[in-house]
Amino acid sequence: GENVEQHPSTLSVQEGDSAVIKCTYSDSASNYFPWYKQELGKRPQLIIDIRSNVGEKKDQRIAVTLNKTAKHFSLHITETQPEDSAVYFCAAPGRALGRLYFGRGTQLTVWP
Amino acid sequence: NAGVTQTPKFRVLKTGQSMTLLCAQDMNHEYMYWYRQDPGMGLRLIHYSVGEGTTAKGEVPDGYNVSRLKKQNFLLGLESAAPSQTSVYFCASSSGLAGHEQYFGPGTRLTVT
Repeated sequence: GENVEQHPSTLSVQEGDSAVIKCTYSDSASNYFPWYKQELGKRPQLIIDIRSNVGEKKDQRIAVTLNKTAKHFSLHITETQPEDSAVYFCAAPGRALGRLYFGRGTQLTVWP
Repeated sequence: NAGVTQTPKFRVLKTGQSMTLLCAQDMNHEYMYWYRQDPGMGLRLIHYSVGEGTTAKGEVPDGYNVSRLKKQNFLLGLESAAPSQTSVYFCASSSGLAGHEQYFGPGTRLTVT
């Protein structure tokens, strides 16, 4: 199956700074790369995703970039706010229809 | 439209006891999944189903069984609970097509003593 590695496992930033989380994947067949946010005690929820036919996608303060040649994709959060504090998961599908392989998560803490 | 719901929210079991976790979705999704979440380990797939009457093993299936008798429900069973099964369990569903969002339930916190 797919192997997704995510770094860093923890990230602390000052409010207003930017945060970047990186993921690598192993299966060149992966063509869809979602990012999920999980607030403390809550369920994971999709915040942004990118498909393999584009290199970058933005939604307000969050963006995702994809480098298919290098098999890595990244989540960028600008102008961070305390409410961005959460665990973020990246994922990739590999060759299995309907399945996602998740990274181990990044605990982001934004200090006011 | 409730989305994905899970029953129960919390449970404490003694080693060797059995229980069933229920997941229900009202989005007419074909695919359903059971994950467990442990600190530092991310979301690991236990079993999943690609449609009514089907089940398949994920990454960590040992000690668990599942059934999908109705399209909207996906049951996760623990026949003989072990302390290693202490975890938070999430159910999810999706339309199953490549590149479609998985919708998660609120989770069940299970403690096995």
